[in-house]
Amino acid sequence: GIQVEQSPPDLILQEGANSTLRCNFSDSVNNLQWFHQNPWGQLINLFYIPSGTKQNGRLSATTVATERYSLLYISSSQTTDSGVYFCAVGLSPGGYNKLIFGAGTRLAVHP
Amino acid sequence: NAGVTQTPKFQVLKTGQSMTLQCAQDMNHEYMSWYRQDPGMGLRLIHYSVGAGITDQGEVPNGYNVSRSTTEDFPLRLLSAAPSQTSVYFCASGVGIGSPLHFGNGTRLTVT
Repeated sequence: GIQVEQSPPDLILQEGANSTLRCNFSDSVNNLQWFHQNPWGQLINLFYIPSGTKQNGRLSATTVATERYSLLYISSSQTTDSGVYFCAVGLSPGGYNKLIFGAGTRLAVHP
Repeated sequence: NAGVTQTPKFQVLKTGQSMTLQCAQDMNHEYMSWYRQDPGMGLRLIHYSVGAGITDQGEVPNGYNVSRSTTEDFPLRLLSAAPSQTSVYFCASGVGIGSPLHFGNGTRLTVT
């Protein structure tokens, strides 16, 4: 089956620093989403981004589908950015709600 | 909109007991899914549905049943709980390709 690898597994930042999280996947996908799991366990959808680039405030994401990777950029990090970031992909056909998750990147932002 | 609502938030079961985890969404989403999350891991798909009356198995379906009699509800049944089913369970729903998947707040289940 498809493999989804996220790096780095752990990341520690000082408030205000920038970071890049990476997601590699081993097959063609028609669905790629980034999620943030906050310290209370809630999963928040950040981006639906099977290809191209999107931005939302301090966060942006780029997916290069032909090269099978996606990047999540966090700029000017804040303590509220702490948590685990998951990349999840879906295969065609029918992969919309059959997401395959990576193991996540655990981010800790210190004041 | 309440979004995706999961009940209960916490549950403790003894081995062999059965129970139903509830999931309801008020966004008229056709697509719904159940995932489990074990410590330090990503989520794994248990069962999913693409509309009322249509369900299928995901990656880890053994020990679980689902049904989808209405668009709004997608309950997950544990037939005979085992300690290996101790996990956090998440329900998700969405419109379809081009739209994000929305998750509930999860049910933390412990089987002793």
